[in-house]
Amino acid sequence: AQSVTQLGSHVSVSEGALVLLRCNYSSSVPPYLFWYVQYPNQGLQLLLKYTSAATLVKGINGFEAEFKKSETSFHLTKPSAHMSDAAEYFCAVTHSGTYKYIFGTGTRLKVLA
Amino acid sequence: SAVISQKPSRDICQRGTSLTIQCQVDSQVTMMFWYRQQPGQSLTLIATANQGSEATYESGFVIDKFPISRPNLTFSTLTVSNMSPEDSSIYLCSVDLQGNTGELFFGEGSRLTVL
Repeated sequence: AQSVTQLGSHVSVSEGALVLLRCNYSSSVPPYLFWYVQYPNQGLQLLLKYTSAATLVKGINGFEAEFKKSETSFHLTKPSAHMSDAAEYFCAVTHSGTYKYIFGTGTRLKVLA
Repeated sequence: SAVISQKPSRDICQRGTSLTIQCQVDSQVTMMFWYRQQPGQSLTLIATANQGSEATYESGFVIDKFPISRPNLTFSTLTVSNMSPEDSSIYLCSVDLQGNTGELFFGEGSRLTVL
Protein backbone atom coordinates (compact mmCIF):
# COMPACT_ATOMS: atom_id res chain seq x y z
CA ALA A 1 0.00 0.00 0.00
CA GLN A 2 1.09 3.54 -0.63
CA SER A 3 0.54 6.69 1.38
CA VAL A 4 1.64 10.29 1.50
CA THR A 5 2.03 12.55 4.51
CA GLN A 6 2.34 16.29 4.20
CA LEU A 7 3.59 17.94 7.36
CA GLY A 8 1.93 21.25 8.03
CA SER A 9 -1.48 22.04 6.64
CA HIS A 10 -0.59 25.74 6.62
CA VAL A 11 2.79 27.33 5.98
CA SER A 12 3.52 31.07 6.00
CA VAL A 13 6.66 32.64 4.61
CA SER A 14 7.72 36.17 3.90
CA GLU A 15 8.11 37.31 0.34
CA GLY A 16 11.66 36.52 -0.75
CA ALA A 17 12.16 33.84 1.88
CA LEU A 18 12.82 30.16 1.31
CA VAL A 19 9.78 27.96 0.71
CA LEU A 20 9.94 24.43 2.13
CA LEU A 21 6.92 22.15 1.93
CA ARG A 22 7.38 18.69 3.34
CA CYS A 23 6.21 15.40 1.90
CA ASN A 24 6.97 11.91 3.14
CA TYR A 25 5.78 8.81 1.39
CA SER A 26 5.35 5.16 2.08
CA SER A 27 5.59 2.65 -0.73
CA SER A 28 6.53 -1.01 -1.01
CA VAL A 29 7.52 -0.53 -4.64
CA PRO A 30 9.61 2.16 -6.34
CA PRO A 31 7.44 5.26 -6.19
CA TYR A 32 6.65 7.90 -8.72
CA LEU A 33 6.16 11.21 -6.91
CA PHE A 34 4.46 14.42 -7.89
CA TRP A 35 3.81 17.90 -6.61
CA TYR A 36 0.67 19.68 -7.76
CA VAL A 37 -0.45 23.24 -7.10
CA GLN A 38 -4.04 24.41 -6.84
CA TYR A 39 -4.83 28.10 -7.13
CA PRO A 40 -8.19 29.34 -5.84
CA ASN A 41 -11.15 28.11 -7.88
CA GLN A 42 -8.91 26.18 -10.23
CA GLY A 43 -8.00 22.57 -10.82
CA LEU A 44 -4.65 21.06 -9.96
CA GLN A 45 -1.59 21.80 -12.07
CA LEU A 46 1.59 19.73 -12.13
CA LEU A 47 4.65 21.46 -10.67
CA LEU A 48 7.11 18.62 -11.05
CA LYS A 49 7.45 14.86 -11.01
CA TYR A 50 9.96 12.20 -10.09
CA THR A 51 9.82 8.99 -12.09
CA SER A 52 13.10 7.24 -11.21
CA ALA A 53 15.48 9.45 -13.16
CA ALA A 54 17.45 12.27 -11.51
CA THR A 55 16.73 12.59 -7.81
CA LEU A 56 16.74 16.39 -7.95
CA VAL A 57 13.79 17.46 -10.01
CA LYS A 58 13.21 20.96 -11.29
CA GLY A 59 9.73 22.16 -12.03
CA ILE A 60 7.88 25.21 -13.13
CA ASN A 61 7.89 28.60 -11.42
CA GLY A 62 11.31 28.00 -9.83
CA PHE A 63 10.27 25.05 -7.69
CA GLU A 64 12.34 21.94 -7.21
CA ALA A 65 12.17 18.79 -5.13
CA GLU A 66 14.66 16.14 -4.12
CA PHE A 67 13.84 12.47 -3.86
CA LYS A 68 15.57 10.97 -0.82
CA LYS A 69 14.97 7.27 -0.60
CA SER A 70 16.73 6.89 2.75
CA GLU A 71 14.39 9.46 4.28
CA THR A 72 11.33 8.51 2.19
CA SER A 73 10.93 12.18 1.47
CA PHE A 74 10.15 14.41 -1.50
CA HIS A 75 10.18 17.92 -0.10
CA LEU A 76 9.34 20.89 -2.31
CA THR A 77 11.51 23.99 -2.19
CA LYS A 78 11.82 27.39 -3.80
CA PRO A 79 14.68 29.75 -2.91
CA SER A 80 12.64 32.94 -2.91
CA ALA A 81 8.89 33.12 -2.37
CA HIS A 82 6.72 35.34 -4.51
CA MET A 83 3.26 36.59 -3.71
CA SER A 84 1.93 34.61 -6.67
CA ASP A 85 3.08 31.37 -5.01
CA ALA A 86 0.21 31.58 -2.52
CA ALA A 87 -1.83 28.46 -3.22
CA GLU A 88 -2.46 24.95 -1.99
CA TYR A 89 0.16 22.33 -2.75
CA PHE A 90 -0.44 18.60 -2.96
CA CYS A 91 2.08 15.80 -2.94
CA ALA A 92 1.04 12.58 -4.68
CA VAL A 93 2.46 9.10 -5.15
CA THR A 94 1.86 6.32 -7.59
CA HIS A 95 3.94 3.60 -9.18
CA SER A 96 4.47 1.88 -12.48
CA GLY A 97 1.62 -0.31 -13.60
CA THR A 98 -1.21 1.49 -11.85
CA TYR A 99 -3.37 4.46 -12.59
CA LYS A 100 -4.11 5.15 -8.94
CA TYR A 101 -2.60 8.26 -7.46
CA ILE A 102 -2.58 8.77 -3.69
CA PHE A 103 -2.69 12.43 -2.70
CA GLY A 104 -1.58 14.06 0.52
CA THR A 105 -3.89 16.31 2.47
CA GLY A 106 -2.35 19.45 1.06
CA THR A 107 -0.39 22.41 2.41
CA ARG A 108 -1.74 25.90 2.05
CA LEU A 109 1.09 28.34 1.44
CA LYS A 110 0.66 31.94 2.48
CA VAL A 111 3.18 34.55 1.37
CA LEU A 112 3.48 37.62 3.54
CA ALA A 113 4.44 40.99 2.12
CA SER B 1 -1.24 18.88 -22.61
CA ALA B 2 -4.99 18.71 -22.23
CA VAL B 3 -7.73 21.24 -21.67
CA ILE B 4 -10.54 19.92 -19.53
CA SER B 5 -13.83 21.77 -19.15
CA GLN B 6 -16.26 20.99 -16.39
CA LYS B 7 -19.84 22.11 -15.98
CA PRO B 8 -21.24 23.40 -13.73
CA SER B 9 -18.39 25.19 -12.01
CA ARG B 10 -20.49 25.49 -8.89
CA ASP B 11 -24.03 24.81 -7.76
CA ILE B 12 -26.18 24.90 -4.69
CA CYS B 13 -28.47 21.92 -4.41
CA GLN B 14 -31.28 20.78 -2.21
CA ARG B 15 -31.09 17.64 -0.14
CA GLY B 16 -32.47 14.61 -1.95
CA THR B 17 -31.91 15.90 -5.46
CA SER B 18 -29.38 14.74 -8.03
CA LEU B 19 -26.89 16.70 -10.09
CA THR B 20 -24.93 15.70 -13.17
CA ILE B 21 -21.45 17.08 -13.76
CA GLN B 22 -20.08 17.15 -17.28
CA CYS B 23 -16.45 16.80 -18.28
CA GLN B 24 -15.19 17.57 -21.78
CA VAL B 25 -11.59 16.98 -22.88
CA ASP B 26 -10.02 18.56 -25.95
CA SER B 27 -8.35 15.31 -27.00
CA GLN B 28 -9.22 11.64 -27.04
CA VAL B 29 -8.27 9.81 -23.88
CA THR B 30 -8.72 6.23 -22.83
CA MET B 31 -9.17 6.72 -19.13
CA MET B 32 -10.88 9.53 -17.28
CA PHE B 33 -10.91 9.83 -13.54
CA TRP B 34 -13.35 11.42 -11.11
CA TYR B 35 -12.04 12.72 -7.80
CA ARG B 36 -13.73 14.22 -4.78
CA GLN B 37 -12.08 16.94 -2.73
CA GLN B 38 -13.90 17.47 0.53
CA PRO B 39 -13.33 20.67 2.51
CA GLY B 40 -9.92 20.61 4.13
CA GLN B 41 -9.17 17.16 2.85
CA SER B 42 -7.21 15.54 0.08
CA LEU B 43 -8.37 14.26 -3.25
CA THR B 44 -10.05 10.89 -3.21
CA LEU B 45 -10.54 8.83 -6.34
CA ILE B 46 -14.20 8.02 -6.88
CA ALA B 47 -13.98 5.99 -10.06
CA THR B 48 -12.22 5.42 -13.34
CA ALA B 49 -14.27 5.78 -16.50
CA ASN B 50 -13.24 3.88 -19.62
CA GLN B 51 -15.04 4.40 -22.87
CA GLY B 52 -17.20 1.45 -23.77
CA SER B 53 -17.18 -0.25 -20.40
CA GLU B 54 -18.59 0.14 -16.93
CA ALA B 55 -16.79 2.52 -14.63
CA THR B 56 -14.56 1.05 -11.95
CA TYR B 57 -15.39 2.36 -8.49
CA GLU B 58 -13.07 2.68 -5.54
CA SER B 59 -13.84 1.34 -2.12
CA GLY B 60 -16.55 3.39 -0.47
CA PHE B 61 -18.14 4.57 -3.70
CA VAL B 62 -21.02 2.83 -5.46
CA ILE B 63 -22.66 3.15 -8.82
CA ASP B 64 -26.10 3.86 -7.40
CA LYS B 65 -24.78 6.95 -5.66
CA PHE B 66 -22.32 8.08 -8.33
CA PRO B 67 -23.43 6.82 -11.74
CA ILE B 68 -20.94 7.62 -14.49
CA SER B 69 -21.33 7.74 -18.23
CA ARG B 70 -18.55 7.63 -20.82
CA PRO B 71 -20.19 7.79 -24.23
CA ASN B 72 -17.03 8.63 -26.18
CA LEU B 73 -13.31 9.30 -25.82
CA THR B 74 -13.66 13.01 -24.98
CA PHE B 75 -16.64 13.18 -22.64
CA SER B 76 -17.86 11.85 -19.33
CA THR B 77 -20.51 12.65 -16.76
CA LEU B 78 -20.69 12.03 -13.05
CA THR B 79 -24.04 12.17 -11.29
CA VAL B 80 -24.28 12.71 -7.56
CA SER B 81 -27.58 11.11 -6.58
CA ASN B 82 -29.89 11.70 -3.67
CA MET B 83 -27.59 14.33 -2.28
CA SER B 84 -27.04 15.07 1.38
CA PRO B 85 -24.95 17.82 2.99
CA GLU B 86 -22.10 15.30 3.30
CA ASP B 87 -21.83 15.37 -0.49
CA SER B 88 -20.79 19.02 -0.41
CA SER B 89 -17.41 18.87 -2.10
CA ILE B 90 -15.41 19.81 -5.12
CA TYR B 91 -15.65 17.16 -7.81
CA LEU B 92 -12.74 17.02 -10.22
CA CYS B 93 -12.41 15.34 -13.57
CA SER B 94 -8.91 14.34 -14.66
CA VAL B 95 -7.05 12.47 -17.38
CA ASP B 96 -3.64 10.89 -17.74
CA LEU B 97 -2.48 11.46 -21.31
CA GLN B 98 0.68 9.41 -21.03
CA GLY B 99 -0.97 6.48 -19.35
CA ASN B 100 0.19 5.21 -15.96
CA THR B 101 2.48 7.46 -14.01
CA GLY B 102 2.29 10.31 -16.40
CA GLU B 103 0.95 13.73 -15.56
CA LEU B 104 -2.65 14.08 -14.46
CA PHE B 105 -4.52 16.97 -16.05
CA PHE B 106 -7.44 18.32 -14.07
CA GLY B 107 -10.53 20.26 -14.83
CA GLU B 108 -11.27 23.31 -12.73
CA GLY B 109 -13.67 21.37 -10.59
CA SER B 110 -17.34 21.56 -9.76
CA ARG B 111 -18.06 22.94 -6.32
CA LEU B 112 -21.28 21.50 -4.93
CA THR B 113 -23.02 22.79 -1.85
CA VAL B 114 -25.92 20.73 -0.57
CA LEU B 115 -28.37 22.42 1.78
